[in-house]
Amino acid sequence: QVTLRESGPALVKPTQTLTLTCTFSGFSLSTSGMCVSWVRQPPGKALEWLALIDWDDDKYYSTSLKTRLTISKDTSKNQVVLTMTNMDPVDTATYYCARSGIYGVTRGAFDIWGQGTMVTVSS
Amino acid sequence: AIRMTQSPSSFSASTGDRVTITCRASQGISSYLAWYQQKPGKAPKLLIYAASTLQSGVPSRFSGSGSGTDFTLTISCLQSEDFATYYCQQYYSYPPGLTFGGGTKVEIK
Repeated sequence: QVTLRESGPALVKPTQTLTLTCTFSGFSLSTSGMCVSWVRQPPGKALEWLALIDWDDDKYYSTSLKTRLTISKDTSKNQVVLTMTNMDPVDTATYYCARSGIYGVTRGAFDIWGQGTMVTVSS
Repeated sequence: AIRMTQSPSSFSASTGDRVTITCRASQGISSYLAWYQQKPGKAPKLLIYAASTLQSGVPSRFSGSGSGTDFTLTISCLQSEDFATYYCQQYYSYPPGLTFGGGTKVEIK
């Protein structure tokens, strides 16, 4: 069974750096074609893709946020970490990690999602 | 960046209705489109990928169609458990190009 679970602080102050961890099981991020992304959703708003890391350690970022984001992986721990610097109240959102592949017709679709973690940015 | 526009943003329907949601891409994306269902407080669930392929375990009342710039998600006979928000997502220029539509909320009439 494939599962992903996000963890991190529920509350951060403006200007602080947010660090979120996605711990997964049931698949390996060293398997060719495997990818993990971070997606966020402000309260009552739409989904926004943030960053992706693939099995080959290639990293991709949202154009609008790339200067603030860093994604990394620890294959031995089955974890993907996202850091976001200079947090602002507009970054208040539920943050999800999700799995996708890079091959075939499903390649960009997120077939498995974590349950999400709510992050509030407030002083 | 490719923009995805969904319509309508919300509507009311009754159990048993046939409903259609539209998603339009700002440029051609072939069939690189997915649809998700999201219920309050829950993560999105993949319904359809490659514009028309049903994800395993998804009821056959859901169907998708379209290619290029115009896509539709149809629920043939709305059930109580289908009241939710639906999102389209393109993955034409992936990676990294991944964008979601603004969502369509299906409410009970």
